[in-house]
Amino acid sequence: DIQMTQSPPSLSAFVGDRVTITCRASQSISSYLNWYQQKPGKAPKLLIYAASILQSGVPSSFSGSGSGTDFTLTISSLQPEDSGRYYCQQSYKTPYTFGQGTKLEIK
Amino acid sequence: EVQLVESGGGLVQPGGSLRLSCAASGFTFSSHWMHWVRQAPGKGLVWVSRIKSDGRSTSYADSVKGRFTISRDNAKNTLFLQMNGLRVEDTAVYYCASDPDICTGGGCYSNFNFWGQGTLVTVSS
Repeated sequence: DIQMTQSPPSLSAFVGDRVTITCRASQSISSYLNWYQQKPGKAPKLLIYAASILQSGVPSSFSGSGSGTDFTLTISSLQPEDSGRYYCQQSYKTPYTFGQGTKLEIK
Repeated sequence: EVQLVESGGGLVQPGGSLRLSCAASGFTFSSHWMHWVRQAPGKGLVWVSRIKSDGRSTSYADSVKGRFTISRDNAKNTLFLQMNGLRVEDTAVYYCASDPDICTGGGCYSNFNFWGQGTLVTVSS
């Protein structure tokens, strides 16, 4: 199975900060990488697919980059509503696997 | 508006069975792959199973292979997960998710674009 490793496990930042979360795959997955946001008690929400394509309706402050094994999710200007847990997920091959998540808190 | 509504969760003893359903509306169900993803209490997301749009291809996580069966009824816009031989470690919120499997010149990109609210399965004696 492909292992997905996210860093950091958690982070805290101020409103307006630029925030970056990284995700590393245990083997090359080309651009088959998705990012999700999950708030407590809610279902995940798709943010980015194919490593860099913004899902419809997602604020343009979110962006994704990378290919191969290393990927990043960037929030250009952090807003209070961006708090939550973020997961990367590879769709290169089954079993599809998720990173362990990054908890983002607003200071 | 896209809606995915799961049902069928509950408390079951180890070794028991449950059948989860996911009623879809607001999109062309028959043209989407569909998945089940689960989340144990306080833990991360784990992919469980997927089924092709026409129902002719399925895949499973090793942890559920041989015990769970995914199926769909495109006439009724409904996805199912038959869970047999349930174990304590199957305790989780189970989400259904749609997958448009977007194809570009670079390939076909699977993603979970819409999710249901989840249904809790608790396996305990």
